[in-house]
Amino acid sequence: AQKITQTQPGMFVQEKEAVTLDCTYDTSDPSYGLFWYKQPSSGEMIFLIYQGSYDQQNATEGRYSLNFQKARKSANLVISASQLGDSAMYFCAMSQREYGNKLVFGAGTILRVKS
Amino acid sequence: ETGVTQTPRHLVMGMTNKKSLKCEQHLGHNAMYWYKQSAKKPLELMFVYSLEERVENNSVPSRFSPECPNSSHLFLHLHTLQPEDSALYLCASSQALGAGYTFGSGTRLTVV
Repeated sequence: AQKITQTQPGMFVQEKEAVTLDCTYDTSDPSYGLFWYKQPSSGEMIFLIYQGSYDQQNATEGRYSLNFQKARKSANLVISASQLGDSAMYFCAMSQREYGNKLVFGAGTILRVKS
Repeated sequence: ETGVTQTPRHLVMGMTNKKSLKCEQHLGHNAMYWYKQSAKKPLELMFVYSLEERVENNSVPSRFSPECPNSSHLFLHLHTLQPEDSALYLCASSQALGAGYTFGSGTRLTVV
């Protein structure tokens, strides 16, 4: 079965500081992908970053980086230099070849950036 | 504009009404998806279409009926819904099954 766990229902961070959003996953499939999406109050899901299970290096996209620890089955999102516009819901998701590569989402973490 | 457009953005309907949600993508993607996002629950995959053929129906009640007339359009026809069907309905598309998804802004549905 596919399972994505986000244990932090909500997080606060001071503007300009870095924040880590946790994500752990459970799979026996050696081929999988891990995604992070941002959902502002408008409802749209915005793709942030992707990590493939065979990728040797951690993915980075601007201020976003993914701390991929394969042995621990964790894929934490690190946002550096937080901005007020980063306040949103953040979802971790996984796709597995075994399950037709469909995206399965975690419960999400609400991030609030304080000025 | 993400490239995936959903209409309407908001919909209020009675339990005896029939309505349709529309999703349109101009990204040249071959796969389209309907997700349901209820309060305090993870996103639930409802339907998957690949090359206009339904490839998955995740035990969704028959009061939800999808339609994919071509690779650019996806509909979700609604009839005799229940109040617990109130949710944000998100459409997504991808180049192929397994590729990155592009989501629309969603339709916020309220059933009264």
